[in-house]
Amino acid sequence: AQTVTQSQPEMSVQEAETVTLSCTYDTSESDYYLFWYKQPPSRQMILVIRQEAYKQQNATENRFSVNFQKAAKSFSLKISDSQLGDAAMYFCAYRGNTGTASKLTFGTGTRLQVTL
Amino acid sequence: DTGVSQNPRHKITKRGQNVTFRCDPISEHNRLYWYRQTLGQGPEFLTYFQNEAQLEKSRLLSDRFSAERPKGSFSTLEIQRTEQGDSAMYLCASSLGLAGAGEQYFGPGTRLTVT
Repeated sequence: AQTVTQSQPEMSVQEAETVTLSCTYDTSESDYYLFWYKQPPSRQMILVIRQEAYKQQNATENRFSVNFQKAAKSFSLKISDSQLGDAAMYFCAYRGNTGTASKLTFGTGTRLQVTL
Repeated sequence: DTGVSQNPRHKITKRGQNVTFRCDPISEHNRLYWYRQTLGQGPEFLTYFQNEAQLEKSRLLSDRFSAERPKGSFSTLEIQRTEQGDSAMYLCASSLGLAGAGEQYFGPGTRLTVT
Protein backbone atom coordinates (compact mmCIF):
# COMPACT_ATOMS: atom_id res chain seq x y z
CA ALA A 1 0.00 0.00 0.00
CA GLN A 2 1.10 3.49 -0.73
CA THR A 3 1.77 5.92 2.09
CA VAL A 4 2.31 9.67 2.15
CA THR A 5 4.15 11.40 4.98
CA GLN A 6 4.17 15.09 5.82
CA SER A 7 6.52 15.60 8.75
CA GLN A 8 5.77 19.28 9.36
CA PRO A 9 2.45 19.73 11.19
CA GLU A 10 2.83 23.51 11.13
CA MET A 11 4.93 26.05 9.29
CA SER A 12 5.08 29.82 9.44
CA VAL A 13 6.30 32.30 6.85
CA GLN A 14 6.39 36.06 6.63
CA GLU A 15 4.54 37.76 3.87
CA ALA A 16 6.62 38.03 0.67
CA GLU A 17 9.05 35.37 1.87
CA THR A 18 9.53 31.83 0.55
CA VAL A 19 8.56 28.63 2.33
CA THR A 20 9.02 24.96 1.49
CA LEU A 21 6.66 22.22 2.62
CA SER A 22 7.98 18.66 2.72
CA CYS A 23 6.38 15.44 1.58
CA THR A 24 7.72 11.92 1.20
CA TYR A 25 5.89 8.90 -0.11
CA ASP A 26 6.33 5.19 -0.41
CA THR A 27 5.27 3.14 -3.41
CA SER A 28 6.40 0.20 -5.48
CA GLU A 29 4.80 1.61 -8.61
CA SER A 30 6.79 3.39 -11.30
CA ASP A 31 3.93 5.33 -12.87
CA TYR A 32 1.93 7.66 -10.68
CA TYR A 33 0.89 11.24 -10.01
CA LEU A 34 1.58 13.51 -7.09
CA PHE A 35 -0.51 16.48 -6.04
CA TRP A 36 -0.55 19.35 -3.59
CA TYR A 37 -3.98 20.43 -2.40
CA LYS A 38 -4.80 23.54 -0.38
CA GLN A 39 -7.65 23.57 2.15
CA PRO A 40 -8.39 27.06 3.51
CA PRO A 41 -10.24 27.26 6.84
CA SER A 42 -13.88 26.21 6.39
CA ARG A 43 -13.48 26.15 2.63
CA GLN A 44 -13.19 23.41 0.08
CA MET A 45 -10.01 21.74 -1.02
CA ILE A 46 -8.47 23.03 -4.22
CA LEU A 47 -5.69 21.66 -6.36
CA VAL A 48 -2.49 23.71 -6.25
CA ILE A 49 -0.14 21.76 -8.47
CA ARG A 50 0.43 18.30 -9.91
CA GLN A 51 3.44 16.28 -11.04
CA GLU A 52 3.57 13.29 -13.34
CA ALA A 53 6.16 10.78 -12.18
CA TYR A 54 7.41 10.14 -15.71
CA LYS A 55 8.34 13.79 -16.13
CA GLN A 56 11.75 14.82 -14.89
CA GLN A 57 10.96 18.52 -15.10
CA ASN A 58 9.55 19.97 -11.92
CA ALA A 59 6.05 21.43 -12.20
CA THR A 60 5.45 25.13 -11.64
CA GLU A 61 2.26 27.16 -11.31
CA ASN A 62 2.91 30.86 -10.85
CA ARG A 63 4.30 31.26 -7.31
CA PHE A 64 4.09 27.53 -6.60
CA SER A 65 6.73 25.03 -7.66
CA VAL A 66 7.74 21.54 -6.65
CA ASN A 67 11.00 19.72 -6.13
CA PHE A 68 10.32 16.16 -7.28
CA GLN A 69 13.03 13.65 -6.42
CA LYS A 70 11.77 10.32 -7.70
CA ALA A 71 14.63 8.18 -6.42
CA ALA A 72 14.32 9.68 -2.96
CA LYS A 73 10.50 9.58 -3.16
CA SER A 74 10.35 13.20 -2.14
CA PHE A 75 7.92 15.85 -3.35
CA SER A 76 8.25 19.26 -1.71
CA LEU A 77 6.22 22.39 -2.42
CA LYS A 78 7.84 25.80 -2.59
CA ILE A 79 5.70 28.90 -2.23
CA SER A 80 7.41 32.09 -3.32
CA ASP A 81 6.37 35.63 -2.43
CA SER A 82 3.95 34.31 0.20
CA GLN A 83 0.64 36.09 0.54
CA LEU A 84 -1.87 36.22 3.38
CA GLY A 85 -4.26 34.23 1.22
CA ASP A 86 -1.81 31.32 1.18
CA ALA A 87 -2.63 30.55 4.81
CA ALA A 88 -4.28 27.12 4.81
CA MET A 89 -3.77 23.41 5.35
CA TYR A 90 -1.70 21.90 2.59
CA PHE A 91 -2.04 18.23 1.75
CA CYS A 92 0.29 16.14 -0.35
CA ALA A 93 -1.47 13.35 -2.24
CA TYR A 94 -0.55 10.33 -4.36
CA ARG A 95 -2.46 8.58 -7.09
CA GLY A 96 -1.29 5.46 -8.88
CA ASN A 97 -1.72 5.06 -12.60
CA THR A 98 -2.07 1.32 -13.08
CA GLY A 99 -5.15 -0.84 -13.46
CA THR A 100 -8.18 0.74 -11.85
CA ALA A 101 -6.10 2.94 -9.56
CA SER A 102 -8.03 6.10 -8.98
CA LYS A 103 -8.16 7.00 -5.31
CA LEU A 104 -5.99 9.66 -3.74
CA THR A 105 -3.84 8.82 -0.73
CA PHE A 106 -3.24 11.90 1.41
CA GLY A 107 -0.69 12.89 3.99
CA THR A 108 -1.71 14.35 7.33
CA GLY A 109 -1.23 17.91 6.17
CA THR A 110 0.85 20.96 7.04
CA ARG A 111 -0.82 24.05 8.45
CA LEU A 112 0.78 27.16 6.94
CA GLN A 113 0.56 30.47 8.76
CA VAL A 114 1.45 33.67 6.94
CA THR A 115 2.44 36.62 9.12
CA LEU A 116 2.85 40.29 8.34
CA ASP B 1 -19.35 24.99 -14.31
CA THR B 2 -20.93 25.20 -10.90
CA GLY B 3 -18.42 22.93 -9.18
CA VAL B 4 -19.11 20.00 -6.88
CA SER B 5 -21.93 20.60 -4.43
CA GLN B 6 -22.82 18.72 -1.27
CA ASN B 7 -25.89 18.79 0.92
CA PRO B 8 -26.40 19.27 3.74
CA ARG B 9 -23.32 21.21 4.78
CA HIS B 10 -23.80 20.31 8.42
CA LYS B 11 -25.69 17.48 10.06
CA ILE B 12 -26.13 16.81 13.77
CA THR B 13 -27.69 13.51 14.68
CA LYS B 14 -28.14 11.30 17.66
CA ARG B 15 -26.33 8.02 17.95
CA GLY B 16 -28.29 5.23 16.34
CA GLN B 17 -30.04 7.39 13.77
CA ASN B 18 -29.60 7.05 10.01
CA VAL B 19 -28.25 9.90 7.91
CA THR B 20 -27.97 10.46 4.17
CA PHE B 21 -25.71 12.89 2.34
CA ARG B 22 -25.93 13.99 -1.26
CA CYS B 23 -23.22 14.95 -3.74
CA ASP B 24 -23.73 16.56 -7.13
CA PRO B 25 -20.57 16.31 -9.24
CA ILE B 26 -19.43 18.56 -12.04
CA SER B 27 -21.85 17.75 -14.83
CA GLU B 28 -19.52 16.13 -17.37
CA HIS B 29 -17.48 14.18 -14.81
CA ASN B 30 -18.00 10.43 -14.92
CA ARG B 31 -16.06 9.56 -11.76
CA LEU B 32 -17.26 10.36 -8.28
CA TYR B 33 -15.40 9.76 -5.03
CA TRP B 34 -16.25 9.82 -1.34
CA TYR B 35 -13.64 10.57 1.32
CA ARG B 36 -13.81 11.00 5.08
CA GLN B 37 -11.72 13.53 6.95
CA THR B 38 -11.36 13.57 10.72
CA LEU B 39 -9.89 16.45 12.68
CA GLY B 40 -6.19 16.90 12.09
CA GLN B 41 -6.01 14.23 9.42
CA GLY B 42 -5.95 14.11 5.67
CA PRO B 43 -8.93 12.76 3.77
CA GLU B 44 -9.27 8.98 3.63
CA PHE B 45 -10.76 7.22 0.65
CA LEU B 46 -14.12 5.50 1.13
CA THR B 47 -15.42 4.56 -2.31
CA TYR B 48 -15.70 5.65 -5.91
CA PHE B 49 -18.00 5.29 -8.89
CA GLN B 50 -17.43 5.32 -12.59
CA ASN B 51 -20.77 6.33 -14.00
CA GLU B 52 -23.27 4.26 -11.98
CA ALA B 53 -20.88 1.40 -11.17
CA GLN B 54 -19.24 1.31 -7.75
CA LEU B 55 -15.73 0.14 -8.59
CA GLU B 56 -13.90 0.20 -5.28
CA LYS B 57 -14.75 0.29 -1.61
CA SER B 58 -12.34 0.89 1.25
CA ARG B 59 -12.19 -1.33 4.30
CA LEU B 60 -13.26 1.82 6.15
CA LEU B 61 -16.68 1.43 4.56
CA SER B 62 -18.35 -0.84 7.07
CA ASP B 63 -21.67 -2.60 6.55
CA ARG B 64 -23.42 0.42 8.01
CA PHE B 65 -22.30 2.55 5.09
CA SER B 66 -23.84 2.39 1.65
CA ALA B 67 -23.33 4.58 -1.39
CA GLU B 68 -25.25 4.83 -4.60
CA ARG B 69 -25.02 6.73 -7.82
CA PRO B 70 -28.21 6.07 -9.76
CA LYS B 71 -28.04 6.98 -13.44
CA GLY B 72 -24.45 8.05 -13.03
CA SER B 73 -25.36 11.54 -11.89
CA PHE B 74 -25.61 12.55 -8.23
CA SER B 75 -24.55 10.22 -5.43
CA THR B 76 -25.82 9.53 -1.95
CA LEU B 77 -23.92 8.21 1.05
CA GLU B 78 -26.02 6.69 3.81
CA ILE B 79 -24.83 5.79 7.27
CA GLN B 80 -27.10 3.55 9.28
CA ARG B 81 -27.12 3.32 13.08
CA THR B 82 -24.63 6.15 13.43
CA GLU B 83 -21.91 5.95 16.06
CA GLN B 84 -19.88 8.73 17.66
CA GLY B 85 -16.86 7.54 15.71
CA ASP B 86 -18.67 8.46 12.50
CA SER B 87 -18.30 12.15 13.35
CA ALA B 88 -16.20 13.61 10.56
CA MET B 89 -16.22 15.70 7.42
CA TYR B 90 -17.47 13.70 4.44
CA LEU B 91 -15.98 14.97 1.20
CA CYS B 92 -17.12 14.28 -2.32
CA ALA B 93 -14.95 14.75 -5.38
CA SER B 94 -15.39 14.21 -9.09
CA SER B 95 -13.11 13.80 -12.07
CA LEU B 96 -13.27 13.29 -15.79
CA GLY B 97 -12.08 9.72 -15.87
CA LEU B 98 -8.33 9.36 -15.78
CA ALA B 99 -7.78 11.90 -18.54
CA GLY B 100 -4.46 13.56 -17.93
CA ALA B 101 -3.73 13.35 -14.25
CA GLY B 102 -7.43 12.78 -13.55
CA GLU B 103 -7.55 15.74 -11.22
CA GLN B 104 -10.23 15.41 -8.60
CA TYR B 105 -12.33 18.45 -7.77
CA PHE B 106 -13.69 18.55 -4.26
CA GLY B 107 -16.96 19.76 -2.84
CA PRO B 108 -17.26 21.76 0.39
CA GLY B 109 -18.05 18.66 2.44
CA THR B 110 -20.75 17.62 4.88
CA ARG B 111 -19.75 17.88 8.52
CA LEU B 112 -21.41 15.16 10.57
CA THR B 113 -21.64 15.37 14.34
CA VAL B 114 -23.02 12.36 16.17
CA THR B 115 -24.10 13.10 19.75
